[in-house]
Amino acid sequence: AQSVTQLDSQVPVFEEAPVELRCNYSSSVSVYLFWYVQYPNQGLQLLLKYLSGSTLVKGINGFEAEFNKSQTSFHLRKPSVHISDTAEYFCAVSPLERDDKIIFGKGTRLHILP
Amino acid sequence: GAGVSQSPSNKVTEKGKDVELRCDPISGHTALYWYRQRLGQGLEFLIYFQGNSAPDKSGLPSDRFSAERTGESVSTLTIQRTQQEDSAVYLCASSLPGGVFGGVYEQFFGPGTRLTVL
Repeated sequence: AQSVTQLDSQVPVFEEAPVELRCNYSSSVSVYLFWYVQYPNQGLQLLLKYLSGSTLVKGINGFEAEFNKSQTSFHLRKPSVHISDTAEYFCAVSPLERDDKIIFGKGTRLHILP
Repeated sequence: GAGVSQSPSNKVTEKGKDVELRCDPISGHTALYWYRQRLGQGLEFLIYFQGNSAPDKSGLPSDRFSAERTGESVSTLTIQRTQQEDSAVYLCASSLPGGVFGGVYEQFFGPGTRLTVL
């Protein structure tokens, strides 16, 4: 079985500062990895995904994530955040042989401070 | 439509009543998923449809929960004899078929139905 741990439930960051949202996973098989974002009062949307190839994945809105197989991590980063990045961010994994069932983490709420 | 839609957006009900939640997926998306999001929790998988068959019902928490799908369109999640612990946001997502059908496709989420059981 797979599991996802998002270590921080809330992360406050000053505007224009860098941010890293941490995600660790456990799985006995290879997985696909995802980050989804949920803006206030909206549904979830895909930010980026790792399927194979380069371990550094770039997504929308200037976000990127790096897959580290040895550390079973998929941390999300942005070099300079904006007030519009205020949202909840969910890390998710899906086993390769059964990618229809995605397991989500509990989410990290990103607070942008003026 | 342009995206996944869900109705109602909010539902308040009394303990013991039955509720029906509706999901309209994106046209052409054969895969449909239901999730539950409790306050402060992650997304909990409930059920997955491929067309109108449900190969994975493993996430349904009890026999009070059931779901149906008409063809490759609308799905209804029914909760019978609601309990206070059923209070949550119920999210629906759709996608093109992935996995054994080829590829890993993005899930498109609806805005959710907020269910409150008094």
